[in-house]
Amino acid sequence: EPEVTQTPSHQVTQMGQEVILRCVPISNHLYFYWYRQILGQKVEFLVSFYNNEISEKSEIFDDQFSVERPDGSNFTLKIRSTKLEDSAMYFCASTGDTQYFGPGTRLTVL
Amino acid sequence: QKEVEQNSGPLSVPEGAIASLNCTYSDRGSQSFFWYRQYSGKSPELIMSIYSNGDKEDGRFTAQLNKASQYVSLLIRDSQPSDSATYLCAVKHANRDDKIIFGKGTRLHILP
Repeated sequence: EPEVTQTPSHQVTQMGQEVILRCVPISNHLYFYWYRQILGQKVEFLVSFYNNEISEKSEIFDDQFSVERPDGSNFTLKIRSTKLEDSAMYFCASTGDTQYFGPGTRLTVL
Repeated sequence: QKEVEQNSGPLSVPEGAIASLNCTYSDRGSQSFFWYRQYSGKSPELIMSIYSNGDKEDGRFTAQLNKASQYVSLLIRDSQPSDSATYLCAVKHANRDDKIIFGKGTRLHILP
């Protein structure tokens, strides 16, 4: 069964450093998303990506965040200068008939 | 503000009984409704989707939708200890980007 994959599973970084979270969506899907979930809180939409451009972004997705599809398979989320409050699980998802989530990357900012 | 509301629980149900989970949403433009199961530290896993008023059954799960009341529910029959998880209600508006709005989830605990 096809699945969304994400790397790394856990990323630890120092405040102010840049991080790149990677995702491989399901190959025939057209919409890609990033969500985040701060520990104990709800899953929050960050950004959706369609046809090689951002289609919608939330107020959380400020200038520190960017997304890219550098090749035909990867979909990345970059956080330019991490803050303590960026510590969360970050989930990638892609949509075909329905939305499938990857296993997540746990980001810890120290 | 588009919101999805759920009772956070925990909801404790004896093994073998029916678990009933409820959700309300504020955006009348919502067209698609989902129930995800999330185990601690894991990603959301889709268990049911429903798009029209009424009931939809899949195995031990039944989703119920009432758009007039802006209410979605999930029934789990013959509850098993493995059903213990957080259940996330989610809705999607009928626009092109397929963004899903999640509720905070209801923690379900099945008592052996």
